Amino acid sequence: DGGITQSPKYLFRKEGQNVTLSCEQNLNHDAMYWYRQDPGQGLRLIYYSQIVNDFQKGDIAEGYSVSREKKESFPLTVTSAQKNPTAFYLCASSISGTGDYGYTFGSGTRLTVV
Amino acid sequence: GQSLEQPSEVTAVEGAIVQINCTYQTSGFYGLSWYQQHDGGAPTFLSYNALDGLEETGRFSSFLSRSDSYGYLLLQELQMKDSASYFCAVRGQAGTALIFGKGTTLSVSS
Repeated sequence: DGGITQSPKYLFRKEGQNVTLSCEQNLNHDAMYWYRQDPGQGLRLIYYSQIVNDFQKGDIAEGYSVSREKKESFPLTVTSAQKNPTAFYLCASSISGTGDYGYTFGSGTRLTVV
Repeated sequence: GQSLEQPSEVTAVEGAIVQINCTYQTSGFYGLSWYQQHDGGAPTFLSYNALDGLEETGRFSSFLSRSDSYGYLLLQELQMKDSASYFCAVRGQAGTALIFGKGTTLSVSS
């Protein structure tokens, strides 16, 4: 079955470390997205990519980096510059950049700084 | 900038009807979407409105008024499993990503 897979489900990071969250989709979707979710804050856009080798910053891109070398993959790196990285991270994909047919979300990665 | 406003919480009983409102401010407008998220889970797509009017999908309906920058999600014949968070989302410019509201937590009791 087609879907979008995020790994790991839980991740613990020491302060000062960079960590990379994986996001893989086999839906043949062109566009992929990263959102951060904090309690009571809804989903906030970090980065998005409409095509391979191209991506744009969202509202809260500082302290994060991404790459889109393959259509299927859109990993997110949380760098040590991100001051408050503890959150629930959601990856999504859509058929095209319009998203008119809806986004498909992964099950998320819960990152905790220890 | 872009912003969306929706109530933070709504409560209802099984079998009832509930309406979750969403008002938005965007520089452009390319449609209003609704998503459902159960606690700790992934958001799932419910509906999309690009034009004014009501779209019905089973027990759920979504409405849009572009002139009022307003929409709502209507849930009928509520069931316990409908207890979840509901997010409205808009895309303000072509080729950009959805911007989400902060979500409305719906609690359905028996």
